[in-house]
Amino acid sequence: EVQLVQSGAEVKKPGESLKISCKTSGYSFSIYWVGWVRQMPGKGLEWMGIIYPGDSDTRYSPSFQGQVTISADKSISTAYLQWSSLKASDTAMYYCASAAVAGKKYYYYYMDVWGKGTTVTVSS
Amino acid sequence: EIVLTQSPGTLSLSPGERATLSCRASQSVTSSYLAWYQQKPGQAPRLLIYGASSRATGIPDKFSGSGSETDFTLTISRLEPEDFAVYYCQHYGSSPEFAFGPGTKVEIK
Repeated sequence: EVQLVQSGAEVKKPGESLKISCKTSGYSFSIYWVGWVRQMPGKGLEWMGIIYPGDSDTRYSPSFQGQVTISADKSISTAYLQWSSLKASDTAMYYCASAAVAGKKYYYYYMDVWGKGTTVTVSS
Repeated sequence: EIVLTQSPGTLSLSPGERATLSCRASQSVTSSYLAWYQQKPGQAPRLLIYGASSRATGIPDKFSGSGSETDFTLTISRLEPEDFAVYYCQHYGSSPEFAFGPGTKVEIK
């Protein structure tokens, strides 16, 4: 069974750093794009970026370029999303999801398996 | 960039009724690269439809997708209590900006 298990909820202060994780299992991690999606309270879904774990090719949505860093560790089939300096406006739910089709050409594709989400709260 | 618009914003229906949700694109969606997701409160999105009309694994046939180019529709043939949720369309395979529509909430009337 394909599973994406995300790290637990975080409460941080503005200016702090944070790295959340998405541990995958049940499939070949290296050959499926893994993406991160933000959902602010009461709002819709936004692509943040994606990573191809096979070669760590990473692509960011323009709105998130320079604001976050996406990475992956193939040895433990885990993707990460990190911030160097959080803002109150980063308060949101963050989902990781895997592309439904294997292969590098299927970037920003439809996602068939999603993690349960990690809630990040940034407040002074 | 393709921008998706969903209508209506909220759909109030009773169990047993048919739901018709619209997703309109600002320009033609290549190869019908259009997906639909369902999201219930406190849950992650769930893939329902891809390629505009193909049901994802395990999705019951009460859900159907149709359309092409700029106009797409998700139909739920007979609403059951578990179908009341928010539904998002997504165009995929290109720019991530505005890839998801704003959503349609299907609520119990």
